[in-house]
Amino acid sequence: DQQVKQNSPSLSVQEGRISILNCDYTNSMFDYFLWYKKYPAEGPTFLISISSIKDKNEDGRFTVFLNKSAKHLSLHIVPSQPGDSAVYFCAAKEYGNKLVFGAGTILRVKS
Amino acid sequence: NAGVTQTPKFQVLKTGQSMTLQCAQDMNHEYMSWYRQDPGMGLRLIHYSVGAGITDQGEVPNGYNVSRSTTEDFPLRLLSAAPSQTSVYFCASSYSSGGKENTEAFFGQGTRLTVV
Repeated sequence: DQQVKQNSPSLSVQEGRISILNCDYTNSMFDYFLWYKKYPAEGPTFLISISSIKDKNEDGRFTVFLNKSAKHLSLHIVPSQPGDSAVYFCAAKEYGNKLVFGAGTILRVKS
Repeated sequence: NAGVTQTPKFQVLKTGQSMTLQCAQDMNHEYMSWYRQDPGMGLRLIHYSVGAGITDQGEVPNGYNVSRSTTEDFPLRLLSAAPSQTSVYFCASSYSSGGKENTEAFFGQGTRLTVV
């Protein structure tokens, strides 16, 4: 059973608007959550993370929100830009450095 | 600064052949891991290593072997390739998490493997 789920396979957003990508998890022992961005034919690159003891973390246009009671996190991108078009993976860190990934969401930002 | 380097980028194998996917990192990271990416399934952990001489199995280890003789290198061996191993393989490295926050993994560019 998938411990990290991204239920939206794709999302389409107009340039300048907000993109919201969602992620749900089942394992309450995860201590960090991370978002990775992946372009075709490249490896995933780290975007932003949040500790399980926090509920929000911001880095420029990117904000991650964590709702522990709901076991839910979201990534907000404001404003969205065409260069943000990529696959976004939510990941959760188990003990040590083991990462458990969601299936990914394809974001398309239309200009 | 090379980061994580994977070779080859593309490979076609016949069923039953063996091969080694190479991974090297120059960041002195203790932790290295191999993932495979399949459509609709995200990245799944195959094997990982917390330091030279120490390896362990991930979620999908069957059909793969690893070893870690140096900090820098973490090769992945396919013992007898099967069509089910057709996938994109990613190697990643990071600092060990002990006492450190935010130990994000750095990924290589991937190896696209096709088994026919």
